[in-house]
Amino acid sequence: KAGVTQTPRYLIKTRGQQVTLSCSPISGHRSVSWYQQTPGQGLQFLFEYFSETQRNKGNFPGRFSGRQFSNSRSEMNVSTLELGDSALYLCASSLDAGGPTGELFFGEGSRLTVL
Amino acid sequence: GQQVMQIPQYQHVQEGEDFTTYCNSSTTLSNIQWYKQRPGGHPVFLIQLVKSGEVKKQKRLTFQFGEAKKNSSLHITATQTTDVGTYFCAATNYGQNFVFGPGTRLSVLP
Repeated sequence: KAGVTQTPRYLIKTRGQQVTLSCSPISGHRSVSWYQQTPGQGLQFLFEYFSETQRNKGNFPGRFSGRQFSNSRSEMNVSTLELGDSALYLCASSLDAGGPTGELFFGEGSRLTVL
Repeated sequence: GQQVMQIPQYQHVQEGEDFTTYCNSSTTLSNIQWYKQRPGGHPVFLIQLVKSGEVKKQKRLTFQFGEAKKNSSLHITATQTTDVGTYFCAATNYGQNFVFGPGTRLSVLP
């Protein structure tokens, strides 16, 4: 069974640009969550999608957005990039995040550097 | 909002010594999970605890969920160099998103 696939793995952007990250969950998983990981802040929850609907949202500004497609693949977008957006962005898929079968399967992450 | 704390932040042990990390939530939880992240890697699920007072073992790892379902611990007996990494607890309350603790970074000296 293929794991969670995130693309791209590494990217460098400059301030003011925007970026789109992609996540393909494990087959059969309908929940996709996104996390931002930085050395100072740890793993911060961005949002969770379930069956194409945003089910939960973290405390991030509106520059951070996401969506989920009918095949459960998800994308997240960050507009008007700031230096502080440099981080490892992790996607996790689950049968049912937060529920009794809520084990999160993480991808390798997309490491974003903003210059 | 829900806050999850972990102590200690760092732990350096000699190989063969025991290790414990503690996770505390400001609110009552429905379930708690533990993850391990190796240096340069991504978090990998270890266990989920659901019941009050639950204790689960995986070889040298023992996980415990507090009676009040607000705290948890992970204990490793006789650490090995393969145990190196950061251990995170992730807490949730009935369908809400998982909130991760800041993690405990474990180094094991051979």
